[in-house]
Amino acid sequence: GAVVSQHPSWVICKSGTSVKIECRSLDFQATTMFWYRQFPKQSLMLMATSNEGSKATYEQGVEKDKFLINHASLTLSTLTVTSAHPEDSSFYICSARGGGGLTSTDTQYFGPGTRLTVL
Amino acid sequence: GDSVTQMEGPVTLSEEAFLTINCTYTATGYPSLFWYVQYPGEGLQLLLKATKADDKGSNKGFEATYRKETTSFHLEKGSVQVSDSAVYFCALTPTGNQFYFGTGTSLTVIP
Repeated sequence: GAVVSQHPSWVICKSGTSVKIECRSLDFQATTMFWYRQFPKQSLMLMATSNEGSKATYEQGVEKDKFLINHASLTLSTLTVTSAHPEDSSFYICSARGGGGLTSTDTQYFGPGTRLTVL
Repeated sequence: GDSVTQMEGPVTLSEEAFLTINCTYTATGYPSLFWYVQYPGEGLQLLLKATKADDKGSNKGFEATYRKETTSFHLEKGSVQVSDSAVYFCALTPTGNQFYFGTGTSLTVIP
Protein backbone atom coordinates (compact mmCIF):
# COMPACT_ATOMS: atom_id res chain seq x y z
CA GLY A 1 0.00 0.00 0.00
CA ALA A 2 0.82 3.72 -0.11
CA VAL A 3 2.26 3.75 -3.60
CA VAL A 4 2.96 7.02 -5.35
CA SER A 5 3.92 7.09 -9.00
CA GLN A 6 5.43 9.80 -11.14
CA HIS A 7 5.41 10.17 -14.86
CA PRO A 8 7.62 10.56 -16.73
CA SER A 9 10.60 9.26 -14.81
CA TRP A 10 13.00 11.01 -17.15
CA VAL A 11 12.50 13.80 -19.66
CA ILE A 12 14.76 15.83 -21.91
CA CYS A 13 13.40 18.95 -23.54
CA LYS A 14 14.54 21.99 -25.46
CA SER A 15 14.86 25.35 -23.84
CA GLY A 16 11.61 27.33 -24.03
CA THR A 17 9.28 24.36 -24.03
CA SER A 18 6.92 23.34 -21.25
CA VAL A 19 7.03 20.03 -19.43
CA LYS A 20 4.28 18.43 -17.38
CA ILE A 21 5.02 15.97 -14.60
CA GLU A 22 2.28 13.84 -13.10
CA CYS A 23 2.11 12.55 -9.55
CA ARG A 24 -0.44 9.91 -8.67
CA SER A 25 -1.36 8.18 -5.44
CA LEU A 26 -2.25 4.72 -6.69
CA ASP A 27 -3.95 3.08 -3.77
CA PHE A 28 -5.02 5.89 -1.50
CA GLN A 29 -6.56 9.31 -1.69
CA ALA A 30 -4.34 12.25 -0.94
CA THR A 31 -5.86 15.58 0.01
CA THR A 32 -2.39 17.09 0.16
CA MET A 33 0.54 16.56 -2.15
CA PHE A 34 3.96 18.16 -2.07
CA TRP A 35 6.47 19.01 -4.78
CA TYR A 36 10.17 19.03 -4.08
CA ARG A 37 13.26 19.80 -6.05
CA GLN A 38 16.54 18.10 -5.33
CA PHE A 39 19.95 19.17 -6.54
CA PRO A 40 22.80 16.67 -6.75
CA LYS A 41 24.00 15.51 -3.35
CA GLN A 42 21.64 17.87 -1.57
CA SER A 43 18.51 17.61 0.49
CA LEU A 44 15.01 18.20 -0.75
CA MET A 45 13.80 21.71 -1.29
CA LEU A 46 10.06 22.09 -0.83
CA MET A 47 8.61 24.01 -3.76
CA ALA A 48 4.92 23.97 -3.02
CA THR A 49 2.10 22.32 -1.14
CA SER A 50 -0.86 21.28 -3.22
CA ASN A 51 -4.33 20.78 -1.80
CA GLU A 52 -7.06 19.14 -3.83
CA GLY A 53 -9.46 21.64 -5.30
CA SER A 54 -7.57 24.75 -4.22
CA LYS A 55 -4.59 26.79 -5.26
CA ALA A 56 -1.15 25.56 -4.37
CA THR A 57 0.87 27.27 -1.68
CA TYR A 58 4.33 28.13 -2.94
CA GLU A 59 7.44 28.46 -0.85
CA GLN A 60 9.31 31.72 -0.81
CA GLY A 61 11.44 32.18 -3.89
CA VAL A 62 9.53 29.71 -6.06
CA GLU A 63 7.97 31.33 -9.12
CA LYS A 64 4.35 30.27 -9.25
CA ASP A 65 3.96 31.39 -12.85
CA LYS A 66 6.85 29.20 -13.88
CA PHE A 67 5.98 26.13 -11.85
CA LEU A 68 2.26 25.59 -12.33
CA ILE A 69 0.68 23.12 -9.98
CA ASN A 70 -2.75 21.62 -10.37
CA HIS A 71 -4.36 19.18 -7.95
CA ALA A 72 -7.56 18.34 -9.73
CA SER A 73 -8.43 15.12 -7.93
CA LEU A 74 -7.63 13.23 -4.76
CA THR A 75 -5.17 11.03 -6.61
CA LEU A 76 -3.50 13.35 -9.11
CA SER A 77 -1.33 16.43 -8.92
CA THR A 78 0.60 17.87 -11.84
CA LEU A 79 3.60 20.16 -12.01
CA THR A 80 4.15 22.05 -15.25
CA VAL A 81 7.48 23.71 -15.79
CA THR A 82 6.70 26.50 -18.24
CA SER A 83 9.27 27.89 -20.67
CA ALA A 84 11.92 25.64 -19.24
CA HIS A 85 15.56 26.71 -19.22
CA PRO A 86 18.74 24.80 -18.44
CA GLU A 87 18.76 26.10 -14.87
CA ASP A 88 15.46 24.27 -14.34
CA SER A 89 17.23 20.97 -14.89
CA SER A 90 16.85 19.01 -11.70
CA PHE A 91 15.32 16.01 -9.98
CA TYR A 92 11.70 16.69 -9.09
CA ILE A 93 10.04 14.56 -6.45
CA CYS A 94 6.44 14.56 -5.36
CA SER A 95 4.91 13.15 -2.23
CA ALA A 96 1.42 12.55 -0.96
CA ARG A 97 0.23 12.87 2.56
CA GLY A 98 -1.56 9.79 3.82
CA GLY A 99 -5.32 9.98 3.89
CA GLY A 100 -6.09 7.65 6.77
CA GLY A 101 -7.14 4.02 6.66
CA LEU A 102 -4.09 2.01 5.64
CA THR A 103 -2.04 5.19 5.28
CA SER A 104 -1.01 7.53 8.06
CA THR A 105 -2.08 11.15 7.95
CA ASP A 106 1.21 12.23 9.53
CA THR A 107 3.34 10.52 6.88
CA GLN A 108 4.47 11.55 3.43
CA TYR A 109 4.74 8.86 0.77
CA PHE A 110 7.14 9.72 -2.00
CA GLY A 111 7.14 9.15 -5.71
CA PRO A 112 10.25 7.83 -7.49
CA GLY A 113 11.17 11.22 -8.90
CA THR A 114 11.45 12.76 -12.36
CA ARG A 115 14.77 13.72 -13.84
CA LEU A 116 14.36 16.85 -16.02
CA THR A 117 17.13 17.90 -18.36
CA VAL A 118 16.68 21.09 -20.35
CA LEU A 119 19.01 21.53 -23.29
CA GLY B 1 10.96 27.24 14.46
CA ASP B 2 10.96 23.50 13.95
CA SER B 3 14.09 21.98 12.47
CA VAL B 4 16.15 18.83 12.11
CA THR B 5 19.91 18.59 12.45
CA GLN B 6 21.51 15.56 10.97
CA MET B 7 24.98 14.12 11.17
CA GLU B 8 27.04 15.14 8.19
CA GLY B 9 28.49 12.54 5.93
CA PRO B 10 29.65 10.89 4.00
CA VAL B 11 29.90 7.77 6.12
CA THR B 12 31.90 4.79 4.89
CA LEU B 13 31.71 1.47 6.70
CA SER B 14 32.82 -2.06 6.10
CA GLU B 15 30.19 -4.73 5.71
CA GLU B 16 28.85 -6.02 9.05
CA ALA B 17 29.95 -2.89 10.91
CA PHE B 18 27.66 -1.08 13.35
CA LEU B 19 25.92 2.03 12.04
CA THR B 20 24.79 5.13 13.88
CA ILE B 21 23.53 8.24 12.15
CA ASN B 22 22.73 11.04 14.57
CA CYS B 23 19.64 13.17 14.31
CA THR B 24 18.46 15.84 16.72
CA TYR B 25 15.44 18.04 16.40
CA THR B 26 13.89 21.26 17.59
CA ALA B 27 10.14 21.42 17.83
CA THR B 28 7.32 22.76 19.91
CA GLY B 29 4.84 20.15 21.00
CA TYR B 30 5.13 16.51 20.09
CA PRO B 31 6.12 15.94 16.47
CA SER B 32 6.23 12.65 14.62
CA LEU B 33 9.73 11.60 13.62
CA PHE B 34 10.86 9.73 10.51
CA TRP B 35 13.79 8.20 8.74
CA TYR B 36 13.63 8.04 4.96
CA VAL B 37 16.12 6.32 2.65
CA GLN B 38 16.99 7.34 -0.90
CA TYR B 39 18.76 4.94 -3.22
CA PRO B 40 20.62 6.40 -6.22
CA GLY B 41 18.31 7.85 -8.84
CA GLU B 42 15.17 7.13 -6.84
CA GLY B 43 12.70 8.93 -4.64
CA LEU B 44 12.54 8.63 -0.88
CA GLN B 45 11.23 5.54 0.84
CA LEU B 46 9.87 5.56 4.36
CA LEU B 47 12.22 3.47 6.48
CA LEU B 48 10.69 3.89 9.93
CA LYS B 49 8.80 6.31 12.10
CA ALA B 50 7.86 7.05 15.70
CA THR B 51 5.00 9.19 16.86
CA LYS B 52 5.57 9.69 20.58
CA ALA B 53 8.27 9.74 23.21
CA ASP B 54 10.03 6.43 23.88
CA ASP B 55 8.53 4.83 20.78
CA LYS B 56 10.98 2.72 18.82
CA GLY B 57 10.61 2.52 15.07
CA SER B 58 12.18 -0.45 13.33
CA ASN B 59 12.40 -1.88 9.84
CA LYS B 60 14.87 -4.04 7.89
CA GLY B 61 17.21 -4.22 10.89
CA PHE B 62 17.25 -0.45 11.37
CA GLU B 63 16.03 1.08 14.62
CA ALA B 64 15.51 4.54 16.05
CA THR B 65 14.08 5.59 19.41
CA TYR B 66 12.18 8.83 19.99
CA ARG B 67 14.04 10.47 22.87
CA LYS B 68 12.27 13.57 24.08
CA GLU B 69 14.72 14.28 26.88
CA THR B 70 17.59 14.58 24.40
CA THR B 71 15.42 15.61 21.41
CA SER B 72 17.05 12.89 19.36
CA PHE B 73 16.09 10.15 16.92
CA HIS B 74 19.34 8.41 16.05
CA LEU B 75 19.31 5.70 13.40
CA GLU B 76 21.13 2.45 14.20
CA LYS B 77 21.79 -0.88 12.57
CA GLY B 78 23.83 -3.65 14.08
CA SER B 79 25.35 -5.06 10.92
CA VAL B 80 25.24 -3.13 7.66
CA GLN B 81 25.26 -4.65 4.21
CA VAL B 82 26.45 -3.35 0.88
CA SER B 83 22.80 -2.99 -0.15
CA ASP B 84 22.30 -0.42 2.65
CA SER B 85 24.40 2.08 0.73
CA ALA B 86 22.12 5.07 0.23
CA VAL B 87 21.32 8.52 1.53
CA TYR B 88 19.36 8.66 4.78
CA PHE B 89 17.12 11.59 5.73
CA CYS B 90 15.78 12.36 9.17
CA ALA B 91 12.50 14.30 9.21
CA LEU B 92 9.79 15.58 11.50
CA THR B 93 6.27 16.83 11.24
CA PRO B 94 4.34 18.60 13.96
CA THR B 95 0.96 18.23 12.29
CA GLY B 96 1.27 16.26 9.08
CA ASN B 97 1.01 19.38 6.95
CA GLN B 98 4.52 20.74 7.32
CA PHE B 99 7.54 18.49 7.10
CA TYR B 100 11.12 19.36 7.99
CA PHE B 101 14.01 17.34 6.55
CA GLY B 102 17.61 17.05 7.56
CA THR B 103 20.33 17.54 5.00
CA GLY B 104 20.81 13.82 4.43
CA THR B 105 23.68 11.49 5.28
CA SER B 106 25.31 9.46 2.56
CA LEU B 107 26.28 5.93 3.60
CA THR B 108 28.63 3.73 1.61
CA VAL B 109 29.19 0.15 2.72
CA ILE B 110 32.22 -1.59 1.28
CA PRO B 111 32.59 -5.35 1.08
